[in-house]
Amino acid sequence: DSGVTQTPKHLITATGQRVTLRCSPRSGDLSVYWYQQSLDQGLQFLIQYYNGEERAKGNILERFSAQQFPDLHSELNLSSLELGDSALYFCASSVATLDTQYFGPGTRLTVL
Amino acid sequence: GNSVTQMEGPVTLSEEAFLTINCTYTATGYPSLFWYVQYPGEGLQLLLKATKADDKGSNKGFEATYRKETTSFHLEKGSVQVSDSAVYFCALRSGNTPLVFGKGTRLSVIA
Repeated sequence: DSGVTQTPKHLITATGQRVTLRCSPRSGDLSVYWYQQSLDQGLQFLIQYYNGEERAKGNILERFSAQQFPDLHSELNLSSLELGDSALYFCASSVATLDTQYFGPGTRLTVL
Repeated sequence: GNSVTQMEGPVTLSEEAFLTINCTYTATGYPSLFWYVQYPGEGLQLLLKATKADDKGSNKGFEATYRKETTSFHLEKGSVQVSDSAVYFCALRSGNTPLVFGKGTRLSVIA
């Protein structure tokens, strides 16, 4: 158990819908990262927050957004969902940017 | 830009066989290198890391040596077990850039 929690574990929804994925980092970790894992694209970095502020942005679509709250948990919002958004979404956390990242168990999103 | 290339799987080995999973990288500056492992149904776990040239990372019988001259970080284990069956990811981080992962190599170990 990495100490990073993600909810829900599974999510099934329809195209065009909007969903919110939630991540609670390890106690003491200030940095949160979001990744998307799909069969064709592999593991892709989406976005990083550090102590509530966006720190780095990767291949995140405009339909996706994220935020980190004062209690340091983070949410990833995915809107206008398409079939191709079906993937595993991982959250990771670290104390600071250059420290080891610890991954949560992931949320499996299925868009029908 | 930074990138990681690792051997494509799947790799199927018998128990107690020797394992090598190749990983090469392209990076600006002096990256840190990592191997992560993903067991079925779980998130990624850090297996080992090396932060400078000639460093050897090791954990649970796995080893990898940071080779700057060949830009490689190959993962090895002398005797694999069925419980090592998983997907292995090579990754790098250079400066403040996010982790960049390879596509992963699935290992199946049969008894």
